[in-house]
Amino acid sequence: AQSVTQPDIHITVSEGASLELRCNYSYGATPYLFWYVQSPGQGLQLLLKYFSGDTLVQGIKGFEAEFKRSQSSFNLRKPSVHWSDAAEYFCAVGANYNTDKLIFGTGTRLQVFP
Amino acid sequence: EPEVTQTPSHQVTQMGQEVILRCVPISNHLYFYWYRQILGQKVEFLVSFYNNEISEKSEIFDDQFSVERPDGSNFTLKIRSTKLEDSAMYFCATHTGVDNQPQHFGDGTRLSIL
Repeated sequence: AQSVTQPDIHITVSEGASLELRCNYSYGATPYLFWYVQSPGQGLQLLLKYFSGDTLVQGIKGFEAEFKRSQSSFNLRKPSVHWSDAAEYFCAVGANYNTDKLIFGTGTRLQVFP
Repeated sequence: EPEVTQTPSHQVTQMGQEVILRCVPISNHLYFYWYRQILGQKVEFLVSFYNNEISEKSEIFDDQFSVERPDGSNFTLKIRSTKLEDSAMYFCATHTGVDNQPQHFGDGTRLSIL
């Protein structure tokens, strides 16, 4: 069965520092990959997605993610974090086809200190 | 940008009562989903719906749950006899069916069972 692992439950960074959130998936073929962000009490906002092609994808709010097939990873990065980036970040996989259900990781809570 | 709209934003219900959560999909979307997120946990798939029938359901989606799109507009999730453990945030998502497009999520309905 497909699964998504986000090894870091909680990450704290200083404002202006760089950020990398890890995501590993378990699936035989190349899945559809997503990162969503959730602010407290809010819904899920799509940051970026990977379907095929260039393995480095750009998203909103200055985020990017790189798909590495050899490592089954899709890590999220941002060169300089802003205080408003504090939120919960979820990696998700859609495995079998374009309209397949999404399987989410357990999330990483990002805290940003001034 | 078109949005998925969910109502109500918060529902408080006595255990054993029936609840109906409503979702208005983006107008040209054809695939519909319900997910839930128990407080502090990851987002879990419940059910997907296409062409007026269930495409897939998870083991969470037992006989007390049902979905329908009664008027061609609203997509509803009904929980027949609520239990304490049904307390969660419920997210509706929709998909156009076009390749290389993501699911769009609503802001969720927070269901509290007393």
